[in-house]
This record gives sequence, C-alpha cells and structure tokens, in this order.
Amino acid sequence: GENVEQHPSTLSVQEGDSAVIKCTYSDSASNYFPWYKQELGKGPQLIIDIRSNVGEKKDQRIAVTLNKTAKHFSLHITETQPEDSAVYFCAPRGGSNYKLTFGKGTLLTVNP
Amino acid sequence: DAGVIQSPRHEVTEMGQEVTLRCKPISGHNSLFWYRQTMMRGLELLIYFNNNVPIDDSGMPEDRFSAKMPNASFSTLKIQPSEPRDSAVYFCASPGGYTFGSGTRLTVV
Repeated sequence: GENVEQHPSTLSVQEGDSAVIKCTYSDSASNYFPWYKQELGKGPQLIIDIRSNVGEKKDQRIAVTLNKTAKHFSLHITETQPEDSAVYFCAPRGGSNYKLTFGKGTLLTVNP
Repeated sequence: DAGVIQSPRHEVTEMGQEVTLRCKPISGHNSLFWYRQTMMRGLELLIYFNNNVPIDDSGMPEDRFSAKMPNASFSTLKIQPSEPRDSAVYFCASPGGYTFGSGTRLTVV
C-alpha cells in the first residue's frame, strides 16, 4: 500500500508570512494529489488538488507543487491569515484510482 | 445541494451495544467512502462502495463492523457489539471532489 509522510507535524507562523507543508509518497502509480483543511469539529475540506500531468497549480493565496520524480508534493500558503489556522492533510491517490491515503496532518497556527 | 449529511453528530453508547451511523451522500452519487479518524491512526479508509456495491472493505477492522448502501441516497455503518476502542470520529465522503460530511463522534464507554 501507499506510505505517506507529511512534514512538519506542527507549524507556527506570524500573520502575513508564508507556510509550506511537504508530503512524500511511495506509490509511483499515484496520479492525484489533493490537500485538505480540517477545522475543529468539521470534516476535511478539499482546498486544492493537482493531477500527475501538471507541475504546479495556484488558487489565490494557495498553491501546490508536484515533483513526480522525487515523489513529493507541497502546499504553499502565502500571506497567511489567522483563519488559515487548522490541520492540513495531504492525501495522494494511488494506482487504485479511488483510495486516498491520508498523511498524519500538520497543525498550522497563524499568530496575529 | 446540501452536501454529505451524517447522523447523528454525536453518539455515546455503552460497551456491547449496537451502534448505527448514517450517511446521505451527495445527490446523484452512487459511490461512497467511510473513513475513521483517531489520534493514533489518523484518517483510515474503512470501506468503498461503487454503484452501491462494496468494492474495497479491506479497512473494516473486524466482523463487528458492517456497512450497507441499499440505494444511492443512503448508507449505514453498523458496529455490533461496540467496544471502547471503536471510539473515533467516523466520516463518509462522496467521490468526485471527495466531499466529506461533518462526521459522527462516537464514544463507547
């Protein structure tokens, strides 16, 4: 099965700074690379995703970059705001084409 | 669209009792995932349904767990008998965006 590692496990930044979270995976057949945000008491919410034929994707303040050769992808958040504080999960989809394997999560705290 | 709806939001039950968790997927989706979230093990896939048929139930912990999707608008996850180690948050999700419900927090005492 897919092995997923996510770093760092916690990240504290000042408002306005950038935050980067990295995810490494093992299944070379992985073809879909999403990032989820989970707030307290809620389910994970898809915030951005990328497919294997693209190297980078941006959506306003968030971006995802993919390095298929090295088998890792990263979440970039610029101009962080206190409402970005949450747990973020990567969840690459392997060759099964349906199963997401979640990382252990990164607790991001944005200090005002 | 109301998204994925789960009930109840919270469930507290005594060890040995039967527990049934319910999920209404996004309208028109006949596929569904059940996930479990704990501090120790994170988010784990329990079972995946496609066209209302269980495709992958390799994540179901043991025979005490069972799941059904009798039609495209409803699914249940049942635990019988429940044990304290089943305490977790259980999520269902619709594919095509992998939209998650708000979860059911289960506590078995």
